[in-house]
Amino acid sequence: GQQLNQSPQSMFIQEGEDVSMNCTSSSIFNTWLWYKQEPGEGPVLLIALYKAGELTSNGRLTAQFGITRKDSFLNISASIPSDVGIYFCAGEISNFGNEKLTFGTGTRLTIIP
Amino acid sequence: GAGVSQSPRYKVAKRGQDVALRCDPISGHVSLFWYQQALGQGPEFLTYFQNEAQLDKSGLPSDRFFAERPEGSVSTLKIQRTQQEDSAVYLCASRAWETRVLYGYTFGSGTRLTVV
Repeated sequence: GQQLNQSPQSMFIQEGEDVSMNCTSSSIFNTWLWYKQEPGEGPVLLIALYKAGELTSNGRLTAQFGITRKDSFLNISASIPSDVGIYFCAGEISNFGNEKLTFGTGTRLTIIP
Repeated sequence: GAGVSQSPRYKVAKRGQDVALRCDPISGHVSLFWYQQALGQGPEFLTYFQNEAQLDKSGLPSDRFFAERPEGSVSTLKIQRTQQEDSAVYLCASRAWETRVLYGYTFGSGTRLTVV
């Protein structure tokens, strides 16, 4: 099935560094979502974006919905050890009767001590 | 309950065996979704329900996969004659239509299926 292009695939950073990852699609989406997944758990929603150009923050996380509706990025400032995990973007058409998410390939974040 | 509950957490099946995976969504959530997540990949859509109606099953990989939600709450994903390529984590998610703008989806912890 289709998966969105997410980059980078993995990141190795030191605690306190800022992180940036992005997601691109060949299709337009009406909603962009960013999730974090830890081992043995399901994805947990971090940020939801509903309007092209929208910039939304959730604590140290900031995400933007691209103007073309085909991309989104996520920034994490001043990373801490609990930020470790796999981050997924997901796009949705968001029409009644068409609610499925298309996920990205994931960015694995590792913090080097 | 407080979250989406899936059972079993782990399932080992011999090739050719039938399996049934259960999902208990958050009470009152109208929409229920099944996703398949292969190792090292993002989740991929399988099927979804609004109440008891299966509105989209385009992601089911073959006719060996079948999902139902007969009373609009609990859902079961059944895989017949399992094959090794069916090994994956199967995730269930639910959402309430009226709060979709605020809360999005809530995922369960998944069932890890290993076919040997």
